[in-house]
Parts: sequence; structure tokens; C-alpha cells
Amino acid sequence: ETGVTQTPRHLVMGMTNKKSLKCEQHLGHNAMYWYKQSAKKPLELMFVYSLEERVENNSVPSRFSPECPNSSHLFLHLHTLQPEDSALYLCASSQESTSGSGEQFFGPGTRLTVL
Amino acid sequence: AQSVTQLGSHVSVSEGALVLLRCNYSSSVPPYLFWYVQYPNQGLQLLLKYTTGATLVKGINGFEAEFKKSETSFHLTKPSAHMSDAAEYFCAVSDQSDYKLSFGAGTTVTVRA
Repeated sequence: ETGVTQTPRHLVMGMTNKKSLKCEQHLGHNAMYWYKQSAKKPLELMFVYSLEERVENNSVPSRFSPECPNSSHLFLHLHTLQPEDSALYLCASSQESTSGSGEQFFGPGTRLTVL
Repeated sequence: AQSVTQLGSHVSVSEGALVLLRCNYSSSVPPYLFWYVQYPNQGLQLLLKYTTGATLVKGINGFEAEFKKSETSFHLTKPSAHMSDAAEYFCAVSDQSDYKLSFGAGTTVTVRA
């Protein structure tokens, strides 16, 4: 595997289900991100992890719970979601450094549908 | 804090015609600038980036962009559109002290045969 991978690619869940999205980066980066992309809306940054510590949580509802067990893996745990949470969830990674450009590398996304 | 404005949410061009996507940014410090492309049901792929040095940046698939500090712009162009260029394009900016990217709202490009 190369780059940033995400599983599953598609997920359909009911409002009472619990599921998790997985992201893995094979680039040796030290920062990882979750974004939400809804139709007709700008990309929304949800969470940022730097060196495995959460450094940003952009007022995301508690029904979304991120986890970063190591620098290569990032999870998004989902429970009691709402239909408006249906979206494409994108994971990204980057190498933070004083000489870095901030370029982020994206995974293919998980298309989530909440019924 | 940075922000990005992409003029035009939808651009339609004929195959072989010039593609021009406009991006203006605001930043209190010298920015790093990016263009990403997203094909349907896929993630974002980097087209090109400007960090320092030459202000005309060449990217993949024949695209290029020019950083104009005086106009706070980073417009994306391609001389001759191809059907495979149909996608959504995002302009993004980061500054040198913050690794986060601020994205524009995106521009959808359709290419007419």
C-alpha cells in the first residue's frame, strides 16, 4: 500500500449503530486530519492530530470520536449519527516541520450514508 | 488567519479551450498556495504548489498557476482543456507558522465535446 488509505470506502448505517472509519498513512508523516465534505458545502476540518496528540477539534459533535493510536493510524468512531451526517469523510496526512510547506496528502474517502 | 475565495462555483469550457480558474487569498504572512483536484468519489490530489522562488508554477496534467503577490491571487490555467479535466478544483492556502490548510469552496469544471 502507498499513500493514504481509508476503509471502508462506502458505509451505510442506521442512526443507532456504532461504526468506525479507519485511515492509514504510509508516508511517514507526523500529522493526520479528518475532514467532512458535504454536497454544496466547503471542506470542513474536523480534527487534527500532531505527533499523536489531538491539537484541534472544530466544534464537532460528540457523536464523532477520533482516535490516533500511533502516527500511522487514525480512526473516527461513529455512534448515534443523524441523517445530516451523511457525507464523504476524508483523511489526510502531512509532515509538520519548520521547513515544511503544509502540503497534505489525502485518502480516497469513505462515503457515509446515515439512514 | 488565512482565507481563500474561488470566483465561480462552476466553469464550463469546450474541449481544446483555455481553462482559467480564479483564486484569491488573504494572509497576514507570506503564504504557501496549493491547487488540488478531486474526481468523483475520490480524495483530493495535489496539482501544484507554490512555496518560494519562481512565481509561475507548473503542475501535473498540463496545469500551471502564477502567484501574484500584488493581486493576492493564484489563478490556475491550462491552455487546452481535455475531457479528462472534468472535476472539482480546490485552491488552498497555509502560512509558514501553521500547518493547517484553508480551502476555497471549490470550482466544478465541465468540458464540452
